[in-house]
Amino acid sequence: GQQLNQSPQSMFIQEGEDVSMNCTSSSIFNTWLWYKQDPGEGPVLLIALYKAGELTSNGRLTAQFGITRKDSFLNISASIPSDVGIYFCAGRNPVNAGGTSYGKLTFGQGTILTVHP
Amino acid sequence: EAGVVQSPRYKIIEKKQPVAFWCNPISGHNTLYWYLQNLGQGPELLIRYENEEAVDDSQLPKDRFSAERLKGVDSTLKIQPAELGDSAVYLCASSRFGQDTDTQYFGPGTRLTVL
Repeated sequence: GQQLNQSPQSMFIQEGEDVSMNCTSSSIFNTWLWYKQDPGEGPVLLIALYKAGELTSNGRLTAQFGITRKDSFLNISASIPSDVGIYFCAGRNPVNAGGTSYGKLTFGQGTILTVHP
Repeated sequence: EAGVVQSPRYKIIEKKQPVAFWCNPISGHNTLYWYLQNLGQGPELLIRYENEEAVDDSQLPKDRFSAERLKGVDSTLKIQPAELGDSAVYLCASSRFGQDTDTQYFGPGTRLTVL
C-alpha cells in the first residue's frame, strides 16, 4: 500500500525560529495537504496543494507540491508558542481514478513541534 | 456553523465488550469518513460514505467492526467484541461532496481504551 515518510519526527525550537518539515511518498499523489492537530482535537487543514510545483502560503506557513508529485514540504516562519502541535502531511488519490481508493487520504506519521518561549 | 460532533469523547471498556461511537457531520455534508488514529501515527481511513452508501470499506476489519449511516446523515461505528489492540482514537470527518478540492473537517475524536 501507499506509504508516506514524514520527517523529522519531532522538533524542539526557540520562539522566533523558522521550521521546515517534509514528506516523501513511494507513489504519486494528485493533492498534498498539511494538517495540524492539537491535543484532544481532530486535525485541522492548514494548506492544500493541487498542482505539481505549486507553492502556497497561509500567513507564516508556506508549503510546496514537489515536481515529482511524490513529495511536499511545509515551512513555518518566525514560530510562536501557539504553533505547538503535531503536523501531518497527507496525500490524496484522484477522485476519478476509479476503484475504491479514489479520494482517499493517506497520512504521514506526523511531526511533533515544541516551541520554547 | 457547528462542526463535526462525536460522542462519547472517551470510553473505557474491558476486552470482549461491545462499543459504539456516534458521529454527526456538518450540516449539508454528503461525505462522511471514519478514521482510526493509533498513538504516534496519522489517521488511517476505515470507511467512507457517500450519503448512505459505503463506497470504500476496504480497510474496515469486518469480522468485528461495523458501521452504518442509515439516513445519510449521522453515523455509528461499532466494535464487537473489542480487543486490546483496538485502543486508539476514532475520528470522524465530513466533506461536502468528497471532491478533490473539498476540505475534510474532522471531529474531536473518541478515545477508546480497552482493558
